[in-house]
Amino acid sequence: EDQVTQSPEALRLQEGESSSLNCSYTVSGLRGLFWYRQDPGKGPEFLFTLYSAGEEKEKERLKATLTKKESFLHITAPKPEDSATYLCAVPLDRGSTLGRLYFGRGTQLTVWP
Amino acid sequence: DAGVTQSPTHLIKTRGQQVTLRCSPKSGHDTVSWYQQALGQGPQFIFQYYEEEERQRGNFPDRFSGHQFPNYSSELNVNALWLGDSALYLCASSLVRNNEQFFGPGTRLTVL
Repeated sequence: EDQVTQSPEALRLQEGESSSLNCSYTVSGLRGLFWYRQDPGKGPEFLFTLYSAGEEKEKERLKATLTKKESFLHITAPKPEDSATYLCAVPLDRGSTLGRLYFGRGTQLTVWP
Repeated sequence: DAGVTQSPTHLIKTRGQQVTLRCSPKSGHDTVSWYQQALGQGPQFIFQYYEEEERQRGNFPDRFSGHQFPNYSSELNVNALWLGDSALYLCASSLVRNNEQFFGPGTRLTVL
């Protein structure tokens, strides 16, 4: 069964302490992997799309990478404002751009000063 | 450039009632998807609309229905509400040619 698993469920970092979040997937024929940031009570904010193994994308302190089985979201020198839940998602439907996104449960990141 | 907007922000209903939630997509987008997000969970796909038709549907009962208008805006209707329908309802818009979905702020529905 197609599945997206994120780890860890929660991560506490001190400001400046770099780390990585993991998203592993079992969807065959991947047509993109998406990373979102979600603040409490708000809608997810789009961060990155990755399409092929070896691809990397960066935005400020965040860098997303993709392999054939998983994606990593690296956070370099995080600040308290990076605290949020980070979600990854994959499209479930092959052969069509009209499709459902299947989300993991997210990693809740807390960065303390 | 206006992003995805949703209304209302919050809603409180009682069991058995019906509710309608509204969504306006990001400018230029033609596809609208609806998701339900329970506390501590990732969003779950409800259905997707393109060209005013439901194109994909997730594992939700027929109590959940929707509509897309010619201006691409959309409504989500839920009939016979029960306690388990309490959640954050998210609307996302995209272009039909790719799956990059942009989310609105959500509607928090509480069923008492």
